[in-house]
Amino acid sequence: AQRVTQPEKLLSVFKGAPVELKCNYSYSGSPELFWYVQYSRQRLQLLLRHISRESIKGFTADLNKGETSFHLKKPFAQEEDSAMYYCALSGLSGSARQLTFGSGTQLTVLP
Amino acid sequence: DAGVIQSPRHEVTEMGQEVTLRCKPISGHNSLFWYRQTMMRGLELLIYFNNNVPIDDSGMPEDRFSAKMPNASFSTLKIQPSEPRDSAVYFCASSLAQAGRSYEQYFGPGTRLTVT
Repeated sequence: AQRVTQPEKLLSVFKGAPVELKCNYSYSGSPELFWYVQYSRQRLQLLLRHISRESIKGFTADLNKGETSFHLKKPFAQEEDSAMYYCALSGLSGSARQLTFGSGTQLTVLP
Repeated sequence: DAGVIQSPRHEVTEMGQEVTLRCKPISGHNSLFWYRQTMMRGLELLIYFNNNVPIDDSGMPEDRFSAKMPNASFSTLKIQPSEPRDSAVYFCASSLAQAGRSYEQYFGPGTRLTVT
């Protein structure tokens, strides 16, 4: 079974402060992990994927297989980063691949 | 490409009425997913199709919910009869499931359903 845990439902930081959104996963195979972002009343958008090792909007995430984590980090938060963030894992379920989403973390960046 | 298209964007209906939500996936994608999002339960996968065939419908809450995908460019999610607890945002997403490919899903704008 595959599972994604985001332990923080809500997270508030001040503008300019570092931010880390936690994500832990459970999966017996080789996972593929993503972060999605949802701005207020909008669609979910892919923020980044671990295989790309990219930085998007200043955010980075490193896959740590030893700790089974994929935390999302940004050194200096901006007010426009306020959104809901979902961690997702792509793994085999039965005969097909599907995404398993965490419960999400609502990030609020305070002025 | 216009991305995943959903209609209607908003739907307000009375309890007991039939509701049909529509989705057009990204052209060329072979997998389609229906999700429901609520404050209480977050994002829930209802059903997904691969090559127009339903693969996993274990997330469909009750027999009142049904989904079809008659062809590669169209899917519907129907609720009959609707109940107030069905009020939620329903998202459709599509992806290209292919060996060796990154497996991200692309989401539509959602349909905000209110059942009174």
